[in-house]
Amino acid sequence: QKEVEQDPGPLSVPEGAIVSLNCTYSNSAFQYFMWYRQYSRKGPELLMYTYSSGNKEDGRFTAQVDKSSKYISLFIRDSQPSDSATYLCAMGRGSQGNLIFGKGTKLSVKP
Amino acid sequence: GAVVSQHPSRVICKSGTSVKIECRSLDFQATTMFWYRQFPKQSLMLMATSNEGSKATYEQGVEKDKFLINHASLTLSTLTVTSAHPEDSSFYICSALDRFGQGINEQFFGPGTRLTVL
Repeated sequence: QKEVEQDPGPLSVPEGAIVSLNCTYSNSAFQYFMWYRQYSRKGPELLMYTYSSGNKEDGRFTAQVDKSSKYISLFIRDSQPSDSATYLCAMGRGSQGNLIFGKGTKLSVKP
Repeated sequence: GAVVSQHPSRVICKSGTSVKIECRSLDFQATTMFWYRQFPKQSLMLMATSNEGSKATYEQGVEKDKFLINHASLTLSTLTVTSAHPEDSSFYICSALDRFGQGINEQFFGPGTRLTVL
């Protein structure tokens, strides 16, 4: 079993839809959880991070962590065509910053 | 926000040659930089952790003699792919930890270098 599992999609939604992206993980030692957005042929850009179970909201984005189920989600409200990208979940522990990434989910928002 | 650059953005080389990729933190100091490799439709895989002034730490399965890392200053780390072969063709991405950052969110990624070995 891989440490981090993420459905690669692709996921196609109409503009304005609510998008739900998910990852599961097996290592209960992970302490922090991140979501990155990666446009084609570009480096990842950090969207959100959290250290604890619960919800964290930032504009149209909500990150949700359920440590008991080892499950994290990213919700995008009122999705826009500019949100079309690959979304990567990542997790880590300790202070060095080493991250384990999911495969990424390719999202396409159609106008 | 903090900017990390990579050079070159794209390189095509013949099998057997060596290729050097530079990673620079443009407006902050980074004592730690990471090198990742990403194959098509695959996740980012950590190759090594580069620490300024000391030897890099390589992940299991990554050949340190093939992927030479030098982190000679607080703003520059280089990855040299020695005797490159077609199977080394990939997207190489670096990231840098802000030396004075307060948390994990202070890790910034470069735009990546696409290496194609013929």
